[in-house]
Formats: sequence, structure tokens, C-alpha cells
Amino acid sequence: DVKVTQSSRYLVKRTGEKVFLECVQDMDHENMFWYRQDPGLGLRLIYFSYDVKMKEKGDIPEGYSVSREKKERFSLILESASTNQTSMYLCASSTSGPRSGNTIYFGEGSWLTVV
Amino acid sequence: SQQGEEDPQALSIQEGENATMNCSYKTSINNLQWYRQNSGRGLVHLILIRSNEREKHSGRLRVTLDTSKKSSSLLITASRAADTASYFCATDVGYSTLTFGKGTMLLVSP
Repeated sequence: DVKVTQSSRYLVKRTGEKVFLECVQDMDHENMFWYRQDPGLGLRLIYFSYDVKMKEKGDIPEGYSVSREKKERFSLILESASTNQTSMYLCASSTSGPRSGNTIYFGEGSWLTVV
Repeated sequence: SQQGEEDPQALSIQEGENATMNCSYKTSINNLQWYRQNSGRGLVHLILIRSNEREKHSGRLRVTLDTSKKSSSLLITASRAADTASYFCATDVGYSTLTFGKGTMLLVSP
């Protein structure tokens, strides 16, 4: 079974802190994604990566950056956390693009509260 | 940008009844996928239907796709309390990414 592991399930951070959300997948997938999920807004794509050291902006990249130094690991960074970044963050991975018919595998999510 | 929109936003039924959820999208697609999310958890893939397919079955799930109307439906037959979850449709907008709708919350009461 594919496993996407998000290191932190629940975090509480202070405004202005730098926050790292870590994600690891164990199936040698090329693509990795970070989404955030908010009530009434559904899932919105923050960033994705299709290869090591490669990244592409999604729909809402402002206030976030990402790092992919190794194929299995994709980190989401909040440079200076703000209260409007309180949300559930979902990491995901896939073998290749969904246009090819590949499905996306999700982690369990990280609940971030910024106070 | 939101590509898919599910309807209804919420659905409440009794065990044993069928549940139907609809999804509409805006631009042409290669495939459409349905995912399920239990409360507070990650999403799990349920079924994929390609643009050249009209109907697909998987266990108690039946998915239809009408590309002329840019719509899809997910039918869950003989619902169980364990089917209580949110259901999302997702479409391949770009080559590498899926765009998700806002989801339908399904509540199945015993």
C-alpha cells in the first residue's frame, strides 16, 4: 500500500513563527502536492513538485514556500505564520500526472492553528 | 480556481437507501475521479472514469459521466452508516494536477 506520511498531525504556532510541515511518501512517486482545506472552500492547491528540486505554484502560493531535496520528501514552509493560515494541510503524491489516469494518494492531514 | 462543483452540499439518508451526488465542471477533461474523506482524515480515491467512458461500476459505487453536459454523478447503493463521509469529484485541469470540488457531506443514519 502507498503510504504518505505527514510528520505532524496537530500543531499550534504563534504569529510570525516559521513553520515546517513535512511529508514523506514511500512509493517512489514523481509528483508531490500540498493542498489546504478550509470549510466552504474545499481543497486548494498551494504548490506541487514533479521532480526533485522542481516546484510549481498552485492556486494559492502566497505566504508559502516548498522544498524538495529528495524524491520521497516534500516540505511546506510558512515563512512567517499568520492567523489566516490556520487550516488543515494535506500532502499527496502520484506516480505521474492525473491526465494519464493516475490517482493521487493523500496523507492524513496536518491541522495547523496559528495564534 | 474551482473546476468541479458537487451538488448537493449535504445529503442525509437512512441506511439501505441509495445516495446520489452530482458534479459539474467547466472545461474539457481527460478523466474525472471521485474521492472520499472521513471526518478529519485524508482523502481516499474511490473510482476514476475516463472521458470516453459513460458509466463505471465498483462494488456498490456507480459513476456516470456526460461530457456534453460536463457533469458526473456518483451513486452509492444500499448505503451503510460507514459510508458517512464527504465525497469530492476531481478533474485533471493541468497535466500534473487535480482540481477538487467543495464536496458533498453524506450522513447515513442507522
